Amino acid sequence: AQSVAQPEDQVNVAEGNPLTVKCTYSVSGNPYLFWYVQYPNRGLQFLLKYITGDNLVKGSYGFEAEFNKSQTSFHLKKPSALVSDSALYFCAVRDPHSGNTPLVFGKGTRLSVIA
Amino acid sequence: EPEVTQTPSHQVTQMGQEVILRCVPISNHLYFYWYRQILGQKVEFLVSFYNNEISEKSEIFDDQFSVERPDGSNFTLKIRSTKLEDSAMYFCASSDYGTSDEQYFGPGTRLTVT
Repeated sequence: AQSVAQPEDQVNVAEGNPLTVKCTYSVSGNPYLFWYVQYPNRGLQFLLKYITGDNLVKGSYGFEAEFNKSQTSFHLKKPSALVSDSALYFCAVRDPHSGNTPLVFGKGTRLSVIA
Repeated sequence: EPEVTQTPSHQVTQMGQEVILRCVPISNHLYFYWYRQILGQKVEFLVSFYNNEISEKSEIFDDQFSVERPDGSNFTLKIRSTKLEDSAMYFCASSDYGTSDEQYFGPGTRLTVT
């Protein structure tokens, strides 16, 4: 069975500093990995995904994530945090072997960027 | 930019009542999903739908739940007899091709069962 772990409930970072939100996964075979962001009272917004190819993927709003197969990780990063990045971030994995499988989400990490 | 829409944004109902949550997926998408998020918990999969039938469902999606695509645009989730534990935010999502494609989520319907 697929699973995703986000080991940190909360990440605090000062504005302008780099940020990392951690994610590890468990899935058989090569995973499809996603990051979503949720702002208060809003739905989930897609940030980026890893399907295949370059291990470093770039997404919306300056975010990027690095796929590390040996460590089964897919950490979300941004070189310089903004106060507006404060939100709830979800990592998700999907079974690549079936055409319509659901996303399996981690429990989420709340990012707080302090001015 | 096209987006998934959901109505109502908030639904309050009494235990035992039926509710229908509505979604309009992105128009050219083929795959549709319902997820829910109980307050403070993670997002959980309920059901996926493709080619006018359920593709996959979770253990949460019991006989009290049903989905329908009554016309070419709407996608509905019905809960026949609501329970207190059905209180959650319900998200509809859609995607184009399936597995490698990202799913686009609607803003959600907050269901409160009293």
